[in-house]
Amino acid sequence: KQEVTQIPAALSVPEGENLVLNCSFTDSAIYNLQWFRQDPGKGLTSLLLIQSSQREQTSGRLNASLDKSSGRSTLYIAASQPGDSATYLCAVLTSYDKVIFGPGTSLSVIP
Amino acid sequence: GAVVSQHPSWVICKSGTSVKIECRSLDFQATTMFWYRQFPKQSLMLMATSNEGSKATYEQGVEKDKFLINHASLTLSTLTVTSAHPEDSSFYICSVTPPGTEAFFGQGTRLTVV
Repeated sequence: KQEVTQIPAALSVPEGENLVLNCSFTDSAIYNLQWFRQDPGKGLTSLLLIQSSQREQTSGRLNASLDKSSGRSTLYIAASQPGDSATYLCAVLTSYDKVIFGPGTSLSVIP
Repeated sequence: GAVVSQHPSWVICKSGTSVKIECRSLDFQATTMFWYRQFPKQSLMLMATSNEGSKATYEQGVEKDKFLINHASLTLSTLTVTSAHPEDSSFYICSVTPPGTEAFFGQGTRLTVV
């Protein structure tokens, strides 16, 4: 059974810092991995999608890496801003088209 | 990518009543749709797989008689929370996954049972 974990559960950093969010999954048989952002009381915003054959994806200040063999992914956020404050969810797409979410990392960027 | 529309975005209902949530795949014919829920300060958990023209498949611990799923067409799946109680208050969200692509999610529905 696929399980997804995220470390840390919460993170508070001063504005401008670079930071790394970690995601681990137990079954390497995934189709892809997505990082989402969720603001309080809101839905999901897709940030980055990494196909199983890819190693990383970049979008602006965000960079996500994937090491499928070790079951790990990282989301790197450069030069963090207060507007980055949100919960970040890692999710893997399984062979049955189901998405398994991690518990999330709650990020707070302090001005 | 696929466009998924979910309605309503929020609903408040009285305890004991039923609430229907719609999930529409606007530009993709989905034989399968997925329903998730998220309790406060928790992550999203898969509730059930909605199958067009057949019964839904429920995850362990999800009451199929309480959460009725109907997938009568390739573009519409509905989730009905029957006899809702305050503990059913949650964020419900649906998704579709076109073959070979990624999962696309609706906007979600925030249900509050009072």
